[in-house]
Amino acid sequence: ETGVTQSPTHLIKTRGQQVTLRCSSQSGHNTVSWYQQALGQGPQFIFQYYREEENGRGNFPPRFSGLQFPNYSSELNVNALELDDSALYLCASSWDRGFVDTQYFGPGTRLTVL
Amino acid sequence: AQSVTQLDSQVPVFEEAPVELRCNYSSSVSVYLFWYVQYPNQGLQLLLKYLSGSTLVKGINGFEAEFNKSQTSFHLRKPSVHISDTAEYFCAVSDSRAGNMLTFGGGTRLMVKP
Repeated sequence: ETGVTQSPTHLIKTRGQQVTLRCSSQSGHNTVSWYQQALGQGPQFIFQYYREEENGRGNFPPRFSGLQFPNYSSELNVNALELDDSALYLCASSWDRGFVDTQYFGPGTRLTVL
Repeated sequence: AQSVTQLDSQVPVFEEAPVELRCNYSSSVSVYLFWYVQYPNQGLQLLLKYLSGSTLVKGINGFEAEFNKSQTSFHLRKPSVHISDTAEYFCAVSDSRAGNMLTFGGGTRLMVKP
């Protein structure tokens, strides 16, 4: 059984560009959550997808958007990149969306915006 | 709204000494509490969680935590640390409305010295 995987590992973009990050959830998991972890800080919740629908959203602007596919893999898209978007982006998958459902995190994608 | 405060950004400790990492939370409803560990260049791994029942929770790698509702705390402890415990530790909170969408604290860097 493979764990949560993310691609790419590292990415460098310039201000104003758009970026797509990808996440493959653990087998059988129907829920994917995305978090942003700025350097030296704790992860901040961006949004969660449950069975291809957005289930919840944190305090992030609309230029942060996502998708979940029928195989429950997911994408995070960020438009009009800003310098403050530089961070480690973590994806986590779980069997379901309840509080009892443990989230399993991927290794993250390190995004640098110049 | 929920929030989590980790009172110490860094905790240096000698190998084989005991350690306590402090976590306080605020929430208007019943909470569920988690501790995650992040090793360098890796994603987050669940150490332990409190959902209900006994307030003393045992986790992996010899860690335990105690839920104290009156003090709104969930401190993490280990009686004897190893060099390999050097990592970043994050406390997180959720509730029945949020499901498993987590609010994280800022993290505590545990530095175990020989």
